[in-house]
Amino acid sequence: NAGVTQTPKFRVLKTGQSMTLLCAQDMNHEYMYWYRQDPGMGLRLIHYSVGEGTTAKGEVPDGYNVSRLKKQNFLLGLESAAPSQTSVYFCASSYWPFGVQPLKAEQFFGPGTRLTVL
Amino acid sequence: KQEVTQIPAALSVPEGENLVLNCSFTDSAIYNLQWFRQDPGKGLTSLLLIQSSQREQTSGRLNASLDKSSGRSTLYIAASQPGDSATYLCAVSLPLTQGGSEKLVFGKGTKLTVNP
Repeated sequence: NAGVTQTPKFRVLKTGQSMTLLCAQDMNHEYMYWYRQDPGMGLRLIHYSVGEGTTAKGEVPDGYNVSRLKKQNFLLGLESAAPSQTSVYFCASSYWPFGVQPLKAEQFFGPGTRLTVL
Repeated sequence: KQEVTQIPAALSVPEGENLVLNCSFTDSAIYNLQWFRQDPGKGLTSLLLIQSSQREQTSGRLNASLDKSSGRSTLYIAASQPGDSATYLCAVSLPLTQGGSEKLVFGKGTKLTVNP
């Protein structure tokens, strides 16, 4: 099992450019999440999905769009990148939500994508 | 709004020392609390998950406790080793509005250095 993988690992964009970050998991997890990690801010939830074909907003959704066309993939899109979106982006997945089946409730994280917007 | 605070922000200890990392949260209405480890340039690795009805969890040299009423959790690391050097993150789970899922609210982490 590869677990959670993210593509690309690094990317530099100019302001106004667009790009898509890909997250893939091979654990048959229902739930998938996108976080961003900024110095002094901790990790914050951008968007999440509770199943194929569903998406919902997290804490900091502005400037991002997501899609979950296949259960194993969760895409994060930046339509018009801004310097404020310079960050490290993490994808995570889980089988069950916390509190339902605790042994399967933990979130598994990908290695991250380091994005710089100039 | 739920806020998670971790103290200290950084800690440097000699090898073999027992140590405690602290986490506090402002709203006791959490589902669970989870401790993660993050190595530089890497993703997060889950260490321990404590359900809100539990008081502690243990895994090897790690022991995590939870006092929900006072909004505190501690991560105890016994006989620390240089390989334990990493940033340790605490996160509490809160309900999301859709699908019964839950979200994690993270602290900013404690950067631990264990010196040989």
